[in-house]
Amino acid sequence: GENVEQHPSTLSVQEGDSAVIKCTYSDSASNYFPWYKQELGKGPQLIIDIRSNVGEKKDQRIAVTLNKTAKHFSLHITETQPEDSAVYFCAANLDTGFQKLVFGTGTRLLVSP
Amino acid sequence: DAGVIQSPRHEVTEMGQEVTLRCKPISGHNSLFWYRQTMMRGLELLIYFNNNVPIDDSGMPEDRFSAKMPNASFSTLKIQPSEPRDSAVYFCASSFLSRRIGSYTFGSGTRLTVV
Repeated sequence: GENVEQHPSTLSVQEGDSAVIKCTYSDSASNYFPWYKQELGKGPQLIIDIRSNVGEKKDQRIAVTLNKTAKHFSLHITETQPEDSAVYFCAANLDTGFQKLVFGTGTRLLVSP
Repeated sequence: DAGVIQSPRHEVTEMGQEVTLRCKPISGHNSLFWYRQTMMRGLELLIYFNNNVPIDDSGMPEDRFSAKMPNASFSTLKIQPSEPRDSAVYFCASSFLSRRIGSYTFGSGTRLTVV
């Protein structure tokens, strides 16, 4: 089955710096890679996703890159702000007849003013 | 749309009691997922339904856990009897799955404490 590894587990940056979170996956058939942000006391919320027919997708300060050959994808946050502090999860789809998402273990991002 | 609605938000119960968690998915979504989140194990998929039918329940910890989806707008996760190690945040998520997988929308979760 699919295995998704996520690094780092914690990341501390200064406000205005960039943050990068990386994930690797094992199933070469995976073709959908969402990223979720979970704030304290809330459920994970989708912030950006990418499908395998593109290599990069950007939405304001957030971008995701995908390297299908190497089976890894990354989340890039530029000009970080304190409100970006949260736990971020990557995921990849697994097709077992019915598709489901397999989540990484999460990265706790702390942005200090 | 109000999103995925879970109730209750918090539940404190005594060991041995029955606990029922409830979920209303987004209208039009055909798949529903129950997750458990703990510090030690992260997000664990317990069970998921497609068109109200349980597809994969391999993540259900043991027979004390059961889930139902009697119709497209309602699902329950029941723990009977509950144990302290069941303490966690339980999330429900829904999605629309067709030929292409769609994103999941999570509810706000139910924080369960078993004392």
